[in-house]
Amino acid sequence: EVQLLESGGGLVQSGGSLRLSCAASGFTFSNYGMSWVRQAPGKGLEWVSHVGVNGGGTDYAESVKGRFTISRDDSKNTLYLQMNTLRAEDSAVYYCAKDDRQSWLVTSWGQGTLVTVSS
Amino acid sequence: DIQMTQSPSTLSASVGDRVTITCRASQGISSWLAWYQLKPGKAPKLLIYAASILQSGVPSRFSGSGSGTDFTLTISSLQPEDFATYYCLQANSFPLTFGGGTKVEIK
Repeated sequence: EVQLLESGGGLVQSGGSLRLSCAASGFTFSNYGMSWVRQAPGKGLEWVSHVGVNGGGTDYAESVKGRFTISRDDSKNTLYLQMNTLRAEDSAVYYCAKDDRQSWLVTSWGQGTLVTVSS
Repeated sequence: DIQMTQSPSTLSASVGDRVTITCRASQGISSWLAWYQLKPGKAPKLLIYAASILQSGVPSRFSGSGSGTDFTLTISSLQPEDFATYYCLQANSFPLTFGGGTKVEIK
């Protein structure tokens, strides 16, 4: 069974930094691309970033480009999201998400971790 | 960027109703589309992927159709546990984009 467990969320001041982690199990982590998706309070889902297999190929939403960095450690089956220069509008539940084997469609989700940026 | 226009934004329906939600892409996305169900405090749940393939374990009252720019999620007979918010996602190209969501409410 696929399991994705996010951690690292919390309360941070505007301009601060936070690193999210996602521990993956139940599948061969190194074989799949991974994404971060967020949902701000009362808002819809927003894709944030994606990393391909072997760490090759990263993509970002325009709203986080230059501030967030996605990475993965296949030896630890862990996905990361380094978030710098945080803004109030980055406040959201952040979900770790696993790709389909043959596309970028998200097929599995974690429970999410809450990030609150105070201004 | 590909824009996903989802409608309606809110839908009031009764148990047993047939419900249809649509997503329109601003450009062709082949069949690179998925549908998800969200309930408060829970992880999103994949219902349909590749536009029309039912995810394992999802009840057969859910179905998806379409390709190119126009897609539909249908619930053939709405059940109490189906009251939730539904989103489409296009994965044809980055940035991946979601529809705005459809909240299915009890009539």
